[in-house]
Amino acid sequence: DQQVKQNSPSLSVQEGRISILNCDYTNSMFDYFLWYKKYPAEGPTFLISISSIKDKNEDGRFTVFLNKSAKHLSLHIVPSQPGDSAVYFCAAESGAGSYQLTFGKGTKLSVIP
Amino acid sequence: GAGVSQSPRYKVAKRGQDVALRCDPISGHVSLFWYQQALGQGPEFLTYFQNEAQLDKSGLPSDRFFAERPEGSVSTLKIQRTQQEDSAVYLCASSLRTRDEQYFGPGTRLTVT
Repeated sequence: DQQVKQNSPSLSVQEGRISILNCDYTNSMFDYFLWYKKYPAEGPTFLISISSIKDKNEDGRFTVFLNKSAKHLSLHIVPSQPGDSAVYFCAAESGAGSYQLTFGKGTKLSVIP
Repeated sequence: GAGVSQSPRYKVAKRGQDVALRCDPISGHVSLFWYQQALGQGPEFLTYFQNEAQLDKSGLPSDRFFAERPEGSVSTLKIQRTQQEDSAVYLCASSLRTRDEQYFGPGTRLTVT
């Protein structure tokens, strides 16, 4: 029973266009959400996070949107660059418990020059 | 400063052997997490330490898995009598405080033959 779902295994986008990666969750106890980027043979690298008290957080080219009623979040990358090509993981954390992260299966983003 | 480091990066074990995986967190980070990542999946939580105290070990898949962090810094994940299903990448992450973003090491890829 997956609590964090990334339904698109892969996404291809032209350089300079917007990349939109989606994530859905089922656990209402999740109150903190993070996006990580992963290159092959490396550990995940933190990108951006959002608390459940907000609906948007922006950091440079990266913006995360949270829709609590739909239990949905998305990561927007504008403009997309070839160096953004990687696997992106959505992760969620509950304030109750050990603050472990629950991850989705990831979406592989390919930015085509 | 230095990030999270893990050793060895790759480990091949014969079924039934014991293995020990090491994690050096970022200096001063209070929280330390271990995750297991199977091929094509997101990382899955194994266990959590706050300083030297193991506060959550609910994700450890069996009593063959044991983790420690005796001085609140370096941590070791030990797997006894390895099985083929233990083959995965084992990721360590640390965070400065509870609820801060977690910084991941590069992982140890364990292959059990």
